[in-house]
Amino acid sequence: QVQLVQSGAEVKKPGSSVKVSCKASGGTFSSYAISWVRQAPGQGLEWMGGIIPIFGTANYAQKFQGRVTITADESTSTAYMELSSLRSEDTAVYYCARELRDIVVVPHPDWFDPWGQGTLVTVSS
Amino acid sequence: EIVLTQSPATLSLSPGERATLSCRASQSVSSYLAWYQQKPGQAPRLLIYDASNRATGIPARFSGSGSGTDFTLTISSLEPEDFAVYYCQQRSNWPLAVTFGQGTRLEIK
Repeated sequence: QVQLVQSGAEVKKPGSSVKVSCKASGGTFSSYAISWVRQAPGQGLEWMGGIIPIFGTANYAQKFQGRVTITADESTSTAYMELSSLRSEDTAVYYCARELRDIVVVPHPDWFDPWGQGTLVTVSS
Repeated sequence: EIVLTQSPATLSLSPGERATLSCRASQSVSSYLAWYQQKPGQAPRLLIYDASNRATGIPARFSGSGSGTDFTLTISSLEPEDFAVYYCQQRSNWPLAVTFGQGTRLEIK
Protein backbone atom coordinates (compact mmCIF):
# COMPACT_ATOMS: atom_id res chain seq x y z
CA GLN A 1 0.00 0.00 0.00
CA VAL A 2 1.69 3.18 -1.14
CA GLN A 3 1.91 6.08 1.30
CA LEU A 4 2.85 9.67 0.54
CA VAL A 5 4.55 11.72 3.25
CA GLN A 6 4.98 15.45 2.71
CA SER A 7 7.37 17.93 4.23
CA GLY A 8 6.34 20.20 7.05
CA ALA A 9 4.59 23.54 7.22
CA GLU A 10 6.30 26.63 5.83
CA VAL A 11 6.00 30.36 6.45
CA LYS A 12 7.26 32.51 3.60
CA LYS A 13 7.57 36.19 2.74
CA PRO A 14 5.82 37.63 -0.31
CA GLY A 15 8.04 37.40 -3.37
CA SER A 16 9.97 34.37 -2.11
CA SER A 17 9.74 30.72 -3.17
CA VAL A 18 8.73 27.53 -1.43
CA LYS A 19 9.62 23.92 -2.21
CA VAL A 20 7.47 21.11 -0.84
CA SER A 21 8.49 17.46 -0.97
CA CYS A 22 6.40 14.30 -1.22
CA LYS A 23 8.06 10.96 -0.49
CA ALA A 24 6.43 7.74 -1.60
CA SER A 25 6.88 4.46 0.19
CA GLY A 26 5.45 0.97 -0.10
CA GLY A 27 4.74 0.92 -3.80
CA THR A 28 5.85 1.63 -7.34
CA PHE A 29 6.95 5.22 -7.92
CA SER A 30 8.31 5.76 -11.40
CA SER A 31 5.42 4.66 -13.59
CA TYR A 32 2.66 6.45 -11.68
CA ALA A 33 2.19 10.17 -12.18
CA ILE A 34 2.22 12.46 -9.16
CA SER A 35 0.05 15.56 -9.15
CA TRP A 36 -0.10 18.59 -6.88
CA VAL A 37 -3.40 20.06 -5.71
CA ARG A 38 -3.84 23.03 -3.43
CA GLN A 39 -6.65 24.21 -1.19
CA ALA A 40 -6.86 27.76 0.12
CA PRO A 41 -8.45 28.20 3.57
CA GLY A 42 -12.14 27.35 3.40
CA GLN A 43 -11.98 26.91 -0.37
CA GLY A 44 -12.10 24.10 -2.90
CA LEU A 45 -9.46 22.04 -4.64
CA GLU A 46 -7.23 23.37 -7.41
CA TRP A 47 -4.95 21.24 -9.60
CA MET A 48 -1.53 22.78 -10.18
CA GLY A 49 0.17 20.18 -12.33
CA GLY A 50 1.75 16.76 -12.39
CA ILE A 51 4.79 14.74 -13.36
CA ILE A 52 5.50 11.27 -14.68
CA PRO A 53 8.71 10.32 -12.85
CA ILE A 54 9.90 7.73 -15.37
CA PHE A 55 9.83 10.37 -18.10
CA GLY A 56 10.66 13.39 -15.95
CA THR A 57 8.15 15.45 -17.90
CA ALA A 58 5.82 17.80 -16.06
CA ASN A 59 2.53 19.37 -17.10
CA TYR A 60 1.15 22.48 -15.49
CA ALA A 61 -2.23 24.13 -15.17
CA GLN A 62 -2.29 27.28 -17.24
CA LYS A 63 -2.86 29.42 -14.14
CA PHE A 64 0.49 28.36 -12.69
CA GLN A 65 2.61 28.21 -15.86
CA GLY A 66 5.90 30.01 -15.30
CA ARG A 67 5.55 30.10 -11.54
CA VAL A 68 5.51 26.41 -10.56
CA THR A 69 8.10 23.72 -11.13
CA ILE A 70 7.37 20.07 -10.42
CA THR A 71 10.23 17.58 -10.34
CA ALA A 72 10.80 14.00 -9.25
CA ASP A 73 13.79 12.02 -7.99
CA GLU A 74 13.38 8.35 -8.81
CA SER A 75 16.34 7.36 -6.62
CA THR A 76 14.52 8.55 -3.49
CA SER A 77 10.92 8.13 -4.71
CA THR A 78 10.31 11.79 -3.96
CA ALA A 79 8.40 14.43 -5.88
CA TYR A 80 8.81 18.16 -5.39
CA MET A 81 6.71 21.23 -6.06
CA GLU A 82 8.35 24.63 -6.10
CA LEU A 83 6.21 27.76 -6.29
CA SER A 84 7.88 31.12 -6.85
CA SER A 85 6.91 34.79 -6.56
CA LEU A 86 4.69 33.96 -3.63
CA ARG A 87 1.82 36.24 -2.72
CA SER A 88 -0.72 36.16 0.09
CA GLU A 89 -3.24 34.39 -2.16
CA ASP A 90 -0.88 31.40 -2.29
CA THR A 91 -1.56 30.67 1.37
CA ALA A 92 -3.02 27.19 1.21
CA VAL A 93 -2.60 23.54 2.02
CA TYR A 94 -0.65 21.86 -0.76
CA TYR A 95 -1.30 18.18 -1.41
CA CYS A 96 0.56 15.69 -3.51
CA ALA A 97 -1.41 12.77 -4.88
CA ARG A 98 -0.37 9.70 -6.79
CA GLU A 99 -2.53 8.77 -9.71
CA LEU A 100 -4.70 5.70 -9.40
CA ARG A 101 -3.35 3.70 -12.33
CA ASP A 102 0.00 3.09 -13.98
CA ILE A 103 0.55 5.33 -17.02
CA VAL A 104 0.70 2.22 -19.21
CA VAL A 105 -2.89 1.46 -18.21
CA VAL A 106 -4.28 5.00 -18.24
CA PRO A 107 -2.42 8.05 -19.56
CA HIS A 108 -1.82 11.03 -17.29
CA PRO A 109 -3.87 12.58 -15.84
CA ASP A 110 -5.81 9.92 -13.97
CA TRP A 111 -7.72 9.98 -10.70
CA PHE A 112 -5.93 10.77 -7.45
CA ASP A 113 -5.40 8.00 -4.92
CA PRO A 114 -3.68 8.09 -2.48
CA TRP A 115 -2.99 11.62 -1.23
CA GLY A 116 -0.30 13.01 1.00
CA GLN A 117 -1.24 14.51 4.33
CA GLY A 118 -0.91 18.08 3.06
CA THR A 119 1.55 20.88 3.73
CA LEU A 120 0.38 24.28 4.95
CA VAL A 121 2.20 27.14 3.26
CA THR A 122 1.56 30.54 4.78
CA VAL A 123 2.62 33.64 2.88
CA SER A 124 2.82 36.67 5.12
CA SER A 125 4.99 39.71 5.55
CA GLU B 1 -11.92 25.06 -19.67
CA ILE B 2 -14.57 22.63 -18.48
CA VAL B 3 -16.45 23.95 -15.48
CA LEU B 4 -18.06 21.59 -12.99
CA THR B 5 -21.05 22.88 -11.03
CA GLN B 6 -22.13 20.98 -7.96
CA SER B 7 -25.54 21.19 -6.33
CA PRO B 8 -26.74 21.78 -3.79
CA ALA B 9 -24.01 23.76 -2.05
CA THR B 10 -25.18 22.39 1.29
CA LEU B 11 -27.35 19.36 1.97
CA SER B 12 -28.85 18.81 5.42
CA LEU B 13 -29.96 15.27 6.15
CA SER B 14 -30.26 12.82 9.02
CA PRO B 15 -28.43 9.51 9.49
CA GLY B 16 -30.25 6.73 7.68
CA GLU B 17 -31.56 9.03 4.95
CA ARG B 18 -30.59 8.86 1.29
CA ALA B 19 -28.30 11.56 -0.10
CA THR B 20 -28.23 12.60 -3.74
CA LEU B 21 -25.47 14.96 -4.87
CA SER B 22 -25.25 16.40 -8.36
CA CYS B 23 -22.37 17.48 -10.59
CA ARG B 24 -22.94 19.11 -13.96
CA ALA B 25 -20.20 19.70 -16.54
CA SER B 26 -20.17 22.66 -18.92
CA GLN B 27 -19.48 20.25 -21.78
CA SER B 28 -19.38 16.50 -22.15
CA VAL B 29 -16.71 14.69 -20.16
CA SER B 30 -17.92 11.25 -21.27
CA SER B 31 -17.49 9.08 -18.15
CA TYR B 32 -14.30 10.81 -17.01
CA LEU B 33 -15.61 11.91 -13.65
CA ALA B 34 -14.65 11.09 -10.07
CA TRP B 35 -16.00 11.86 -6.61
CA TYR B 36 -13.97 12.59 -3.47
CA GLN B 37 -14.89 12.91 0.17
CA GLN B 38 -13.05 15.35 2.43
CA LYS B 39 -13.38 15.60 6.19
CA PRO B 40 -12.05 18.57 8.19
CA GLY B 41 -8.28 18.56 8.50
CA GLN B 42 -7.91 15.58 6.18
CA ALA B 43 -6.86 15.04 2.61
CA PRO B 44 -9.55 14.14 0.10
CA ARG B 45 -10.35 10.45 -0.39
CA LEU B 46 -11.29 8.93 -3.72
CA LEU B 47 -14.77 7.38 -3.60
CA ILE B 48 -15.87 6.86 -7.20
CA TYR B 49 -13.92 6.96 -10.47
CA ASP B 50 -14.89 6.69 -14.12
CA ALA B 51 -18.35 7.88 -13.03
CA SER B 52 -19.50 4.63 -11.45
CA ASN B 53 -16.60 2.53 -10.16
CA ARG B 54 -16.11 2.38 -6.40
CA ALA B 55 -12.53 2.84 -5.25
CA THR B 56 -10.88 0.19 -3.09
CA GLY B 57 -12.38 -0.06 0.38
CA ILE B 58 -15.35 2.22 -0.31
CA PRO B 59 -18.61 0.91 1.17
CA ALA B 60 -21.37 -0.25 -1.14
CA ARG B 61 -23.73 2.48 0.10
CA PHE B 62 -21.78 4.89 -2.13
CA SER B 63 -22.67 4.77 -5.82
CA GLY B 64 -22.08 6.97 -8.83
CA SER B 65 -23.98 7.35 -12.06
CA GLY B 66 -24.18 9.51 -15.15
CA SER B 67 -22.32 10.30 -18.32
CA GLY B 68 -21.82 13.23 -20.63
CA THR B 69 -22.66 16.32 -18.58
CA ASP B 70 -24.81 15.11 -15.68
CA PHE B 71 -23.56 12.98 -12.81
CA THR B 72 -24.88 11.87 -9.45
CA LEU B 73 -23.32 10.57 -6.26
CA THR B 74 -25.79 8.64 -4.12
CA ILE B 75 -25.31 7.55 -0.54
CA SER B 76 -28.08 5.05 0.07
CA SER B 77 -28.29 5.28 3.86
CA LEU B 78 -26.21 7.90 5.63
CA GLU B 79 -23.85 6.86 8.39
CA PRO B 80 -22.54 9.42 10.91
CA GLU B 81 -19.08 9.29 9.31
CA ASP B 82 -20.48 10.31 5.90
CA PHE B 83 -21.04 13.93 6.88
CA ALA B 84 -18.29 15.75 5.01
CA VAL B 85 -17.61 17.80 1.88
CA TYR B 86 -17.85 16.05 -1.48
CA TYR B 87 -16.08 17.14 -4.65
CA CYS B 88 -16.45 15.97 -8.22
CA GLN B 89 -13.49 16.07 -10.59
CA GLN B 90 -13.02 15.69 -14.32
CA ARG B 91 -9.88 14.98 -16.31
CA SER B 92 -9.00 15.35 -19.97
CA ASN B 93 -5.93 14.35 -21.93
CA TRP B 94 -6.31 16.83 -24.78
CA PRO B 95 -5.99 19.51 -23.82
CA LEU B 96 -4.52 18.19 -20.58
CA ALA B 97 -6.64 19.50 -17.75
CA VAL B 98 -8.01 18.62 -14.35
CA THR B 99 -10.83 20.56 -12.70
CA PHE B 100 -12.85 20.16 -9.55
CA GLY B 101 -16.34 21.23 -8.66
CA GLN B 102 -16.78 23.73 -5.85
CA GLY B 103 -18.00 21.07 -3.43
CA THR B 104 -21.19 20.05 -1.64
CA ARG B 105 -21.24 20.16 2.14
CA LEU B 106 -23.28 17.30 3.60
CA GLU B 107 -24.29 18.25 7.12
CA ILE B 108 -26.29 16.62 9.88
CA LYS B 109 -29.84 17.90 10.14
